[in-house]
Amino acid sequence: ILNVEQSPQSLHVQEGDSTNFTCSFPSSNFYALHWYRWETAKSPEALFVMTLNGDEKKKGRISATLNTKEGYSYLYIKGSQPEDSATYLCAFGTTDSWGKLQFGAGTQVVVTP
Amino acid sequence: GAVVSQHPSRVICKSGTSVKIECRSLDFQATTMFWYRQFPKQSLMLMATSNEGSKATYEQGVEKDKFLINHASLTLSTLTVTSAHPEDSSFYICSASIRLAGKIYNEQFFGPGTRLTVL
Repeated sequence: ILNVEQSPQSLHVQEGDSTNFTCSFPSSNFYALHWYRWETAKSPEALFVMTLNGDEKKKGRISATLNTKEGYSYLYIKGSQPEDSATYLCAFGTTDSWGKLQFGAGTQVVVTP
Repeated sequence: GAVVSQHPSRVICKSGTSVKIECRSLDFQATTMFWYRQFPKQSLMLMATSNEGSKATYEQGVEKDKFLINHASLTLSTLTVTSAHPEDSSFYICSASIRLAGKIYNEQFFGPGTRLTVL
């Protein structure tokens, strides 16, 4: 079983502040790292897919970086807004997993006004 | 685009009954659908991978006779929890993906999930 670890498990952020959190994963047989945003009572929404070491992706105020050699990815939220409140999941795919993903337990972000 | 629906969103049933959960891709044809289970504060655990027209592939430790998966068309997969017991109470969520030529990974698009409570 490949372990994907996310930290912290939860965090509270004041509106307007920036924050970041981590996803760590085994570096062997790496193929892709996915980030999802999951709001309560909704479907997880795909944010980014990254495949190359050093990849950086950005979507509005949210960005992510990838280090496949050391096995971690950071997700950054700049100028947090209440609508950013959600659980952020990362998922890791390997070259031999045939499209299957291994998920972390998520980081729950609560942005307070 | 890439919308996946899942029904029901919530179901409560008596112990010993069977429950069917449907997963539909509404605006695309899904070559593969995945079924996950999530316990509180834990990660999504893959139960099985379902390809249209073929038998599902179950992950180690998942009872195939307990969790029947049917993927009869490119837009519908069903998960039936047979003879449900309280320990089957959990959150079940599906995803659908399209197999693209030359790619190992496929974007997975998720349904909203089903909360199953077995009394």
